[in-house]
Amino acid sequence: DIQMTQSPASLSVSVGETVTITCRASENIYSNLAWYQQKQGKSPQLLVYAATNLADGVPSRFSGSGSGTQYSLKINSLQSEDFGSYYCQHFWGTPYTFGGGTKLEIK
Amino acid sequence: QVQLQQSGAELVKPGASVKMSCKAFGYTFTTYPIEWMKQNHGKSLEWIGNFHPYNDDTKYNEKFKGKAKLTVEKSSSTVYLELSRLTSDDSAVYYCARGNYRYDGGAFDYWGQGTTLTVSS
Repeated sequence: DIQMTQSPASLSVSVGETVTITCRASENIYSNLAWYQQKQGKSPQLLVYAATNLADGVPSRFSGSGSGTQYSLKINSLQSEDFGSYYCQHFWGTPYTFGGGTKLEIK
Repeated sequence: QVQLQQSGAELVKPGASVKMSCKAFGYTFTTYPIEWMKQNHGKSLEWIGNFHPYNDDTKYNEKFKGKAKLTVEKSSSTVYLELSRLTSDDSAVYYCARGNYRYDGGAFDYWGQGTTLTVSS
């Protein structure tokens, strides 16, 4: 199975700051990667697919990048509604494993 | 609009089985697979498997083979997840989602609200 390693596990930031979350795959996943946001007590929501494409309705302050085994999600000018947990997921063959998650908290 | 509606919370005794549902609205049911995930409290997500209503194709994560079974009722656009021989390790929130492989690679673009399973005597 492909392992997805996310870092950091948690991050304490202030509104207005820029943050970057990284996800490393145990092998090349050829940009078959999605990012999700999950708020406390809610279902995950799709943010990014195919490593760099924003899902419908996702604000442009979010951006995805990367290739091969290394991927990033960047959030510019963090807003209060951006706090929660973020997960990466690969789609390079089953099982479609998720990263361990990054919890974004307000400083 | 697209919605996935999951059945309510379950409290089940160890050793028993449970069957939870995911009903799809707002799109042609046979076009997309339904995916299932497990999320332990405060933890990440695990992909259990998927069911494609177009051809009844089913894929399972090896970890959940023998534990999970996916079935469908096409007349009501509903996919079911049955978990057997329950233990406390099965206590978690279970999500269904629509798998969209029309995107490059894939993505789970709509999610149900989750079903909380508690296994306790």
